[in-house]
Amino acid sequence: RKEVEQDPGPFNVPEGATVAFNCTYSNSASQSFFWYRQDCRKEPKLLMSVYSSGNEDGRFTAQLNRASQYISLLIRDSKLSDSATYLCVVTASGGSYIPTFGRGTSLIVHP
Amino acid sequence: DTGVSQDPRHKITKRGQNVTFRCDPISEHNRLYWYRQTLGQGPEFLTYFQNEAQLEKSRLLSDRFSAERPKGSFSTLEIQRTEQGDSAMYLCASSVAGVWNEQFFGPGTRLTVL
Repeated sequence: RKEVEQDPGPFNVPEGATVAFNCTYSNSASQSFFWYRQDCRKEPKLLMSVYSSGNEDGRFTAQLNRASQYISLLIRDSKLSDSATYLCVVTASGGSYIPTFGRGTSLIVHP
Repeated sequence: DTGVSQDPRHKITKRGQNVTFRCDPISEHNRLYWYRQTLGQGPEFLTYFQNEAQLEKSRLLSDRFSAERPKGSFSTLEIQRTEQGDSAMYLCASSVAGVWNEQFFGPGTRLTVL
């Protein structure tokens, strides 16, 4: 089982739709969680951190479920500009600050 | 621009040649990471530094790869005797040491080995 797993998609949604992605992780000792956005042939950019209490930033909401070991990203009112790959990142505890990236979920928002 | 910078942005080389990439992190960031990314995959960890100390190296990193951060500022990644399988995007990221460790990436160096 991979340490961090994501459905690669693509998720093909119309403008205005609500879309949700999940990301599962295998290490129960993981301590920090993030969502990054990556446009084609560009570097990943930090979208949001995922706190135990969840995190909301405008149309984006991220949540953490430690019991089931997954994080989620919800995008409301999708825009064409949201089309990108969304990478989840998990860092384990224990003093080794090595982030593990999922392979990413591709989102395509169409008119 | 005070973001992470990388040089060169593109490198084409012949198999067997050595290449070196440079990364300049955000100035107040003391952690610096190197990753490799191939098409359809997420970034794969290679190594990281805290200040000038190299704290972790991926077990996937062959002896042909070496990284330095001599003064705790910029870092270099060298690949010796390049192979076609080394073709990838090499990404550098920096962060402030802490539990959350939010990383900021440079634009990457795209390596093509012919």
